[in-house]
Amino acid sequence: EVQLVESGGGLVQPGGSLRLSCSASGFTFSSYGMHWVRQAPGQRLEYVSAISGKGTSTYHAESVKGRFSISRDNSKSTLYLQMSSLKPEDTAVYYCVKVKDSTQLWTYFDSWGQGTLVTVSS
Amino acid sequence: DVQMTQSPSTLSASVGDRVTITCRASQSVSSWLAWYQQKPGKAPNLLIYQASTLESGVPSRFSGSGSGTEFTLTISSLQPDDVATYHCQQYNTYLSTFGQGTKVEIK
Repeated sequence: EVQLVESGGGLVQPGGSLRLSCSASGFTFSSYGMHWVRQAPGQRLEYVSAISGKGTSTYHAESVKGRFSISRDNSKSTLYLQMSSLKPEDTAVYYCVKVKDSTQLWTYFDSWGQGTLVTVSS
Repeated sequence: DVQMTQSPSTLSASVGDRVTITCRASQSVSSWLAWYQQKPGKAPNLLIYQASTLESGVPSRFSGSGSGTEFTLTISSLQPDDVATYHCQQYNTYLSTFGQGTKVEIK
């Protein structure tokens, strides 16, 4: 059974930094692209960042480009999101998600973590 | 970016009713569209992909249709367990985008 467990969320002041982690199990982690998707209170789901299975290709939404960095450690089956220069509008539940098709990065998601809440406030 | 618009934003129906949710894209996404169900306080769960393919384990009362810019999610007979918010996602472009969600309630 696929399991994705996020950690690292919390309360941070504007301008601060935070690193989210996602521990994966139940599948061959290195074979699948992974994404971070967030959901601000009362808002639609929003793609944040994506990374290929080997970690050689990364992508970020314009809203976080230059501030967030996605990475992965395939030896630990762990996905990361390093967030810096955080803004109040980054407040959201952040989900770690797995793509269904191992040959595609830009596709739909068949497994989601439980989410971790990031609150940016003074 | 491809904009996704769902309607209605909220719907209230009786148990056993047929329910239809629409998702429109600002440009063609071919059949590269998925639907997710999100229950309160939980993560989304995949229902349908490629516009009409039911994910394994999803009840057959759920179905999807459409292509290009207009898509529908249908629940043939609404059940109490279907109370949730439903999201569409296009994955035709390299930056996938989601609809704003449709909240389904029991009348």
